[in-house]
This record gives sequence, structure tokens and C-alpha cells, in this order.
Amino acid sequence: DVKVTQSSRYLVKRTGEKVFLECVQDMDHENMFWYRQDPGLGLRLIYFSYDVKMKEKGDIPEGYSVSREKKERFSLILESASTNQTSMYLCASGLTSRPSYNEQFFGPGTRLTVL
Amino acid sequence: QQQVKQSPQSLIVQKGGISIINCAYENTAFDYFPWYQQFPGKGPALLIAIRPDVSEKKEGRFTISFNKSAKQFSLHIMDSQPGDSATYFCAASDRGSTLGRLYFGRGTQLTVWP
Repeated sequence: DVKVTQSSRYLVKRTGEKVFLECVQDMDHENMFWYRQDPGLGLRLIYFSYDVKMKEKGDIPEGYSVSREKKERFSLILESASTNQTSMYLCASGLTSRPSYNEQFFGPGTRLTVL
Repeated sequence: QQQVKQSPQSLIVQKGGISIINCAYENTAFDYFPWYQQFPGKGPALLIAIRPDVSEKKEGRFTISFNKSAKQFSLHIMDSQPGDSATYFCAASDRGSTLGRLYFGRGTQLTVWP
């Protein structure tokens, strides 16, 4: 089974802190994604990566950066956390080749609270 | 601009009833339409998916209906059960893109009453 793990299930940080969210997948997937999930807004894509050291902005990249130094690991960085970044953060990985065709596998999520 | 529009935002159905969730898209390059199911405390997981060369796909109690000309697709859950209570997301993708991005609807919170 594909496994996507996220470093923390719950995280509490203070405004202005630098925050690192880590995601690891064990299926050699090319693509990895970071989403945030908020009630009524669904899944919004922050950043994604289609190869090591490659990244693309999603729909809401402001206030975030990412790092992908190894194929299996994709990190989301909040340079200076703010209260409006309190959210559930979901990591996903996936393939673009047959037979999966863009299927994404999600981790369990990290609920981040910024005080 | 939202690429995939989903309705309703929430749905309450009695046990044994039919749950119907609708989605619409504009981008004619989309050629893969999955539905994801998310239980509380878990990440979303692929439930069922359809390609536009067929108008319907059925897996057990779950059916996707697809209308290419109207650019709409829907999820039908027959004989809905309390265990189906979850958040459902429709999505769309262009399989020709190497980026593998999915465009998600905003989700529907389904509650099935026993």
C-alpha cells in the first residue's frame, strides 16, 4: 500500500515563528503536493513538485515556500507564521503514468494552530 | 477562478436513500474525473473515477454519471448507509499534463441518518 506520512498530526506555533511541515512518501512517486483544507473552501493547492528540486506554485502560494531535495520528501515552510495560516495541511503524492493517471494519495494531515 | 464547481455544500439523506452530488467544469482539456472520499481525521482517498469516453461508471453502490456536452458529472450513492457519512470531493484533471495536478471542487459534507 502507498503510504504518505506527515511529521505531525497537531502543531501549535506562535505568530512570527518559522514552521516546517514534513511529508514523506514510500512509493517512488514523481509528484508531490501540499494543500490546505478549510471549512467551505475545500482543498486549495499551495505548491506542488514534479521532480526533485522542481516546484510549481499552486493557487495560494503567498506566505509559503517548499523544498524537495529528495524524491520521497517534500517540505512546506511557513517563513513567518500568521494566524490566518491556521488550517489543516494535507500532503499528497502521485504518478502521471498509467494506470494511476493523476491519482493522488493523501497523508493524514497536520492541523496547525498559530496563536 | 474555480475550475470545478461542486454542489451542494452539505447533504442530509436518510438511510437507504439516494445521495446525489453534482459537479461542473469549463476546461475542455479535462479528461479524468475522480471522486475522493474523506472521513473525519483522515486524508481524502480515491473512491471512483471516470474518463470521458464513457457516460457512466458503477462500482458497487457508487455510480458516476458523466455528461460531456454539458460538462457535468455527478456521484450517485445508492442505498446510502451511515458509514457513507463523509466529505466528498469531485476533481478534474488533464492526463496529458505531466504535472499531475487535480482541480478539486469545494466538497460536499454528506450525513446519512440511520
